[in-house]
Amino acid sequence: AQSVTQPDIHITVSEGASLELRCNYSYGATPYLFWYVQSPGQGLQLLLKYFSGDTLVQGIKGFEAEFKRSQSSFNLRKPSVHWSDAAEYFCAVGERSYGKLTFGQGTILTVHP
Amino acid sequence: DAGVIQSPRHEVTEMGQEVTLRCKPISGHDYLFWYRQTMMRGLELLIYFNNNVPIDDSGMPEDRFSAKMPNASFSTLKIQPSEPRDSAVYFCAISTGLLGETQYFGPGTRLLVL
Repeated sequence: AQSVTQPDIHITVSEGASLELRCNYSYGATPYLFWYVQSPGQGLQLLLKYFSGDTLVQGIKGFEAEFKRSQSSFNLRKPSVHWSDAAEYFCAVGERSYGKLTFGQGTILTVHP
Repeated sequence: DAGVIQSPRHEVTEMGQEVTLRCKPISGHDYLFWYRQTMMRGLELLIYFNNNVPIDDSGMPEDRFSAKMPNASFSTLKIQPSEPRDSAVYFCAISTGLLGETQYFGPGTRLLVL
């Protein structure tokens, strides 16, 4: 069965600093990979997704993620964090044959001024 | 843009009572998903529908939970009887496809069972 691990439960960065959120997945083949963001009291919003092709994926709000097959990782990055980026971030993997999403436990991002 | 309305946004009830959560997609879609989010278990898929037909309900925790989708614009998730361990945030999400398609989430219903 597929699984997703987000090793960092909580990350704190200063505004303007760079950010990297880690995501590791377990799946027998190349999966579909997603990053979603959840602001307090809100539903999840898609940041970006990877299907195939270029392993560096650009998303909304200045985020990007890189698929590394050898490391089974799909880490999310942003070069300069804004205070409005404070939220919880979820990595998800979808099976290519079935498509049901499995979500990681989430990483809470706190941004200090 | 796809959108989802969920009601109520907050629900407080007593153990043993019936709870009905509602989801109203406001744009075209073929798939509808119900998720539950808790601190302990994270975000779990409970059930999903394709063209109003339940396809996979393996995530429904027990027989106390049931879901229906009588038409493309409405779905319900019912818990009867409710228990304190059902306290969670319940999300409805929609998509136009299953394999790799973006899921659009509603704002969720925060349920507290006392």
